[in-house]
Amino acid sequence: GQQVQQSPASLVLQEGENAELQCNFSTSLNSMQWFYQRPGGSLVSLFYNPSGTKHSGRLTSTTVIKERRSSLHISSSQTTDSGTYLCALVLNNYAQGLTFGLGTRVSVFP
Amino acid sequence: ETAVFQTPNYHVTQVGNEVSFNCKQTLGHDTMYWYKQDSKKLLKIMFSYNNKQLIVNETVPRRFSPQSSDKAHLNLRIKSVEPEDSAVYLCASSQGFQYFGPGTRLLVL
Repeated sequence: GQQVQQSPASLVLQEGENAELQCNFSTSLNSMQWFYQRPGGSLVSLFYNPSGTKHSGRLTSTTVIKERRSSLHISSSQTTDSGTYLCALVLNNYAQGLTFGLGTRVSVFP
Repeated sequence: ETAVFQTPNYHVTQVGNEVSFNCKQTLGHDTMYWYKQDSKKLLKIMFSYNNKQLIVNETVPRRFSPQSSDKAHLNLRIKSVEPEDSAVYLCASSQGFQYFGPGTRLLVL
């Protein structure tokens, strides 16, 4: 089965609303990363967050290793936040690459 | 800031042809990767490579092969493409934190 589960699969927001995206994993991990994928396809790295809480502008990532979950919080959403948010795990070491979830598609309307 | 470069952006070809995609990183990283993103949008690792070790995802067909001239370059060659190879191919590099290129979209007719 899928080692990385993301929820919800999609989310519709009105500009200004907050959102919480979840990432649950079924295996122990070395580290994890959150990405934003633009509609055109390119990936932007948001956080490298093996544990704890990190902030970047309106985004906050919290990873709780022992509970095998990570979350991404978007505050005061903007239309430019629309796209797909992906979480990915480093399972053993970074030489083996990332294991991705299917993502959460976020649509923000004015 | 773009530090992982891929060419071409887009490629259309016919079944049975050979294609090659280029990837270069200017970050000085030791490890580079190729990922495939299929029509369901799932990103899967195909290869990772550093100057000591090639790690191949066992599900990757043998017609795919990585080619590296130095640690800044990792190209992807597909010998005799098939329709299911239509996808976006993403290159990345890492020394912990992974940086991705813009991707190459392949369409096999």
